Amino acid sequence: EAGVVQSPRYKIIEKKQPVAFWCNPISGHNTLYWYLQNLGQGPELLIRYENEEAVDDSQLPKDRFSAERLKGVDSTLKIQPAELGDSAVYLCASSPIYRDTLSFGPGTRLTVL
Amino acid sequence: QQPVQSPQAVILREGEDAVINCSSSKALYSVHWYRQKHGEAPVFLMILLKGGEQKGHDKISASFNEKKQQSSLYLTASQLSYSGTYFCGTEKQGAQKLVFGQGTRLTINP
Repeated sequence: EAGVVQSPRYKIIEKKQPVAFWCNPISGHNTLYWYLQNLGQGPELLIRYENEEAVDDSQLPKDRFSAERLKGVDSTLKIQPAELGDSAVYLCASSPIYRDTLSFGPGTRLTVL
Repeated sequence: QQPVQSPQAVILREGEDAVINCSSSKALYSVHWYRQKHGEAPVFLMILLKGGEQKGHDKISASFNEKKQQSSLYLTASQLSYSGTYFCGTEKQGAQKLVFGQGTRLTINP
């Protein structure tokens, strides 16, 4: 079984630039999550999808962050414009259903200069 | 509300035992445990549900004390491969949100 795929693995941008991250979950996993992980901290949930519906986006800073999951499979997380404080690892995870075990992708390490 | 893990870090020699605790101030529905090695994705270890039994596999087990809203992860006769940061994730009853603790860094030396 292929794992969760994320790209790019690393991204360096200047502040105020836009950036996008892509995630392909495990086949058949209906629930998809985007997490933010700062250095030395645990993952923090940004948004959770059930199929194509965003069921929990209460932690997503909507003034600059947006996400979509077209057709209930792949997902894209976008930041526009990026700020210095956005430097972190962005993890995508999926699970067959909610409350099941999470399978995490390798993450995208974002550095904002 | 973020669960509190203790200790924040621990260093052991191979073969020694370790206990990592995870506490919440709210009534919990479930506790999840994950391990993350440096530069890698977190990997699932186990889930403990309210009213469920103590879980375990190999030499790693965990318990869930519902009265104290606390979970403990037990690593017996630690191996070098156990090194990494351990995160607990808790779900409050009725919250439908998994919140991770700040992590416990475990270092196993030969």
